[in-house]
Amino acid sequence: AAGVIQSPRHLIKEKRETATLKCYPIPRHDTVYWYQQGPGQDPQFLISFYEKMQSDKGSIPDRFSAQQFSDYHSELNMSSLELGDSALYFCASSLASQGNQPQHFGDGTRLSIL
Amino acid sequence: LAKTTQPISMDSYEGQEVNITCSHNNIATNDYITWYQQFPSQGPRFIIQGYKTKVTNEVASLFIPADRKSSTLSLPRVSLSDTAVYYCLVGLNNAGNMLTFGGGTRLMVKP
Repeated sequence: AAGVIQSPRHLIKEKRETATLKCYPIPRHDTVYWYQQGPGQDPQFLISFYEKMQSDKGSIPDRFSAQQFSDYHSELNMSSLELGDSALYFCASSLASQGNQPQHFGDGTRLSIL
Repeated sequence: LAKTTQPISMDSYEGQEVNITCSHNNIATNDYITWYQQFPSQGPRFIIQGYKTKVTNEVASLFIPADRKSSTLSLPRVSLSDTAVYYCLVGLNNAGNMLTFGGGTRLMVKP
């Protein structure tokens, strides 16, 4: 079965640069979620979109923004990168309109800030 | 969002049944209980979800008592490849609601 696709899998940037992470949800899923997982930490929710509208917001820095496009894929844009942004970034998707459907996660983008 | 409490770590041996209990005293009426498995450097993988009583699928069973203040994930006959972190999450998976991951249980399966 098709899974959540994230790209790139690995990304190396320097401080103050920008980065864009992409997420392609499972086909027909209407909701995407972004999570950040630092080394040795639990995943932390950043932001989610339901039917292309922002639906929930967590601990996402103001330097980050995200959107969901008409084809339901999503992009997480990160600017003025800091060393502390080094982490795994996961995207998940679900068919939230069907009620209590679990989120399915991609394998993440590992972002390293030098 | 209901707070959850799980053991920090557990050890087991191949072929044994493993039961991981999660406490969620403040679970709301509409909340579901969902368990995820995570291997290092991989995304969390959905294992099982339930609302009450017992749910079973091809990989695990989930036992939820009548008061729903706790739940137990049961993994039958674990193997080395079941070594992972297991998260219990409680909430309502509707319309973009976030998941709150709070310290999972690190299961180590030994030969």
